[in-house]
Parts: sequence; structure tokens; C-alpha cells
Amino acid sequence: DTGVSQDPRHKITKRGQNVTFRCDPISEHNRLYWYRQTLGQGPEFLTYFQNEAQLEKSRLLSDRFSAERPKGSFSTLEIQRTEQGDSAMYLCASTPGGRETQYFGPGTRLLVL
Amino acid sequence: GQNIDQPTEMTATEGAIVQINCTYQTSGFNGLFWYQQHAGEAPTFLSYNVLDGLEEKGRFSSFLSRSKGYSYLLLKELQMKDSASYLCAVRVRGQAGTALIFGKGTTLSVSS
Repeated sequence: DTGVSQDPRHKITKRGQNVTFRCDPISEHNRLYWYRQTLGQGPEFLTYFQNEAQLEKSRLLSDRFSAERPKGSFSTLEIQRTEQGDSAMYLCASTPGGRETQYFGPGTRLLVL
Repeated sequence: GQNIDQPTEMTATEGAIVQINCTYQTSGFNGLFWYQQHAGEAPTFLSYNVLDGLEEKGRFSSFLSRSKGYSYLLLKELQMKDSASYLCAVRVRGQAGTALIFGKGTTLSVSS
């Protein structure tokens, strides 16, 4: 399968803990996006990378959130000191260029207790 | 601000045709996408419009009118598996990342 993959698929954590998610984009896609989706809502943009450079961050991305794409391939999204409001599906998408269709991974569903 | 509106829910029967509307008010419009999302799964790409008019792809068609800020997704010969959420998303020029702005989605229920 050569689609976007994400790991883990599900994560349950206690409030205050740190969590890290991984996204592996489609090979040779140089743009990678992170979105967050809560129940009954559409995905909301968080941040995006072109190769290893993080070019934009949404105001939704508080200072507890950090994302990296160190070698321009996979990306990680870390949430520090998780809060119950962080419970959501975290989606990753990739595209070969800015004007192309974004292809989404299966998502990581986070539940903060 | 950026705003995308679509109906929350729709119902239809197998074999029928359904039209899901989407209106948007955005600055720097640079294309409109429709995605299908089954419960608990990732959105999957259905169609893309950047110019006015109709794009047809099998049982699915999408229409765009940029002057009216309006699009619709037309689903023909409905099947039970078409029960899903349908997301309208606008790509906005000027945002460094060309990220997509999504509507809240329209939940379509297809019954036999």
C-alpha cells in the first residue's frame, strides 16, 4: 500500500501527559499537512511542511503543539500536557505540490481522559 | 473571514439522485474539492473544480459557479455504500500552505 500512513491509529492518555503521532506521506510528496477533526466538524488546518521546512502554523496550534519533519519524509506531531479539549482525530495529508489534491491518511484518534 | 456552508444532513433512497449544495465566502479562492468520509475513516478525494462548470466522474458530478460562490455534488444511482459524510473544501490562495478550508460536512443516509 503506497498511501499515507499514520501511527498509532488510536491513543488514550491521561490529562497532562505528552503524546506523539507519526505520519508517513506518499513517497515523493514534498508537502505534508496536519489537520484536526472533532465530531460533527470538518477537518481544521493545523500546520504544513514543504520538505523539511514548516511554512505555516494555524492559530489553533498552541505552544503545547509542535511538529517536525526532520528529513523531509515522515513527520511527527507532539502534544505536551494534553488537555481534554485535545481529544480529536488528527489527520495527515500529503501532496506532490501546492496545487495538487491532498491525500489523507487514516488518522490518529486521540482520547484524553 | 472564511465561511463554508453545507446542509447538515440529507436522506435519500437507493437508486435515486441527490444533490448536496455548498456555498462559500472566502478570499483568494483557488479551487474547490469534494471529499467523502465514512464514519471513523479518513476523507477520500472525490472531485475538484477550479473553473466554472460541471465535472463528471462516473456516478459523481460536481459543479462550480465562482461568481455565486456556489458548488454542488451530484450523486446518481445511489447505493447503500454512499452513506457517508460529504465534505466541501476550498483552497485559498495567499495562505502559504495552500491549506484547505473545510465545511462541517453533510451526512447522507441512503435507505433501501
